[in-house]
Amino acid sequence: DTEVTQTPKHLVMGMTNKKSLKCEQHMGHRAMYWYKQKAKKPPELMFVYSYEKLSINESVPSRFSPECPNSSLLNLHLHALQPEDSALYLCASSPGIVRAKDQPQHFGDGTRLSIL
Amino acid sequence: AQSVAQPEDQVNVAEGNPLTVKCTYSVSGNPYLFWYVQYPNRGLQFLLKYITGDNLVKGSYGFEAEFNKSQTSFHLKKPSALVSDSALYFCAVRGGQKVTFGTGTKLQVIP
Repeated sequence: DTEVTQTPKHLVMGMTNKKSLKCEQHMGHRAMYWYKQKAKKPPELMFVYSYEKLSINESVPSRFSPECPNSSLLNLHLHALQPEDSALYLCASSPGIVRAKDQPQHFGDGTRLSIL
Repeated sequence: AQSVAQPEDQVNVAEGNPLTVKCTYSVSGNPYLFWYVQYPNRGLQFLLKYITGDNLVKGSYGFEAEFNKSQTSFHLKKPSALVSDSALYFCAVRGGQKVTFGTGTKLQVIP
């Protein structure tokens, strides 16, 4: 069992749809991350939140919109996605970013997203 | 800038034999190094880390890793491979706010 919970596990959507991915952790971690992973490739960082504030945006297209409502929740809002956005989207958390950089990230099992 | 290299896309080993998955890194300052494993349709799971201290680090599921500063390497090892170890393995280095992952090595343990 993973300590980071992601919903839904699978999502199929059309290019005009709006949907959201959700991530939740109850480990008291103050840093949360979104990654995109293509098959057999390493995770690619998209966003980093630290203490509920957006800390890093890796030049992600605006059709991806992150949100951190509180320290336990992380959302990724999706709108007008393209077929090349089909991938596994992973959420991760860690105790912190700079002061706790010796601590590993804890990953959820991801949402497999397919864009029709 | 930091980077990680995993020179082998795939490693095949017979069950019961020792295994090594290679990783080299480049980072300014002290390295914070990690190994993660990913099974099909799962997220990444933390195996072990090197921060400072002993060059041989022990982790989960019988895995260990050897840190070599002069060769800037952090190879993952296990004395006796199991079929259930078959998975995708990622080496990672942390510098600042970001973690940089290697390209991954698929480990195939043959019964």
